[in-house]
Amino acid sequence: EVQLVESGGGLVQPGGSLRLSCAASGFDFSDYWMNWVRQVPGKGLVWVSGISSDGNNRKYADSVKGRFTISRDSAKNTLILQMNSLRADDTGVYFCATSTTFDSWGQGTLVTVSS
Amino acid sequence: DIQMTQSPSSLSAFVGDRVTITCRASQGISNYLAWFQQKPGKAPKSLIFGASNLQSGVPSKFSGSGSGTDFTLTIINLQPEDFATYYCQQYNSYPLTFGGGTKVEIK
Repeated sequence: EVQLVESGGGLVQPGGSLRLSCAASGFDFSDYWMNWVRQVPGKGLVWVSGISSDGNNRKYADSVKGRFTISRDSAKNTLILQMNSLRADDTGVYFCATSTTFDSWGQGTLVTVSS
Repeated sequence: DIQMTQSPSSLSAFVGDRVTITCRASQGISNYLAWFQQKPGKAPKSLIFGASNLQSGVPSKFSGSGSGTDFTLTIINLQPEDFATYYCQQYNSYPLTFGGGTKVEIK
């Protein structure tokens, strides 16, 4: 069974940093494109970033380009999102999801950017 | 960027009803379209990919159709567990984009 477990969320001041992790199990992590998606509670879904199975191809939403870095550790079956220069509009629940068709999702981790 | 427009944004229906949700892309996306169901406080669940292909384990009461710019999600025999918010998403090109969602409520 596919399992994705996000961690690393929390309260951070504007301009601060956070590192999110997504621990994957139940499938061959190294074979799959992976994504991060954000959702403000009560609002819609916004794709944030994606990374290819081999880690060589990375994509970002314009709103996070230059501030967020996606990476993966295939030895640990872990997807990572390093978030720097955080802003209030980065607030939301961050989900990791598999493949370009978002077949499986984690339960999400809440990031709150506020002073 | 490709804009995805869902309609309606919300609808009310009776148990047993058939409902149809529409998703329109601002430019052609072939069949690179997925549908998701989300219940309050939960992660989205994938229902359909490739516009019309059911994910494993998804009941056949859900069906998708369309190609190019216009797509539909149809749910027949609506049951209490189907009341949720539904999203479409295009994966034809980056940035990947979602529709604004359609909330299906009990009448």
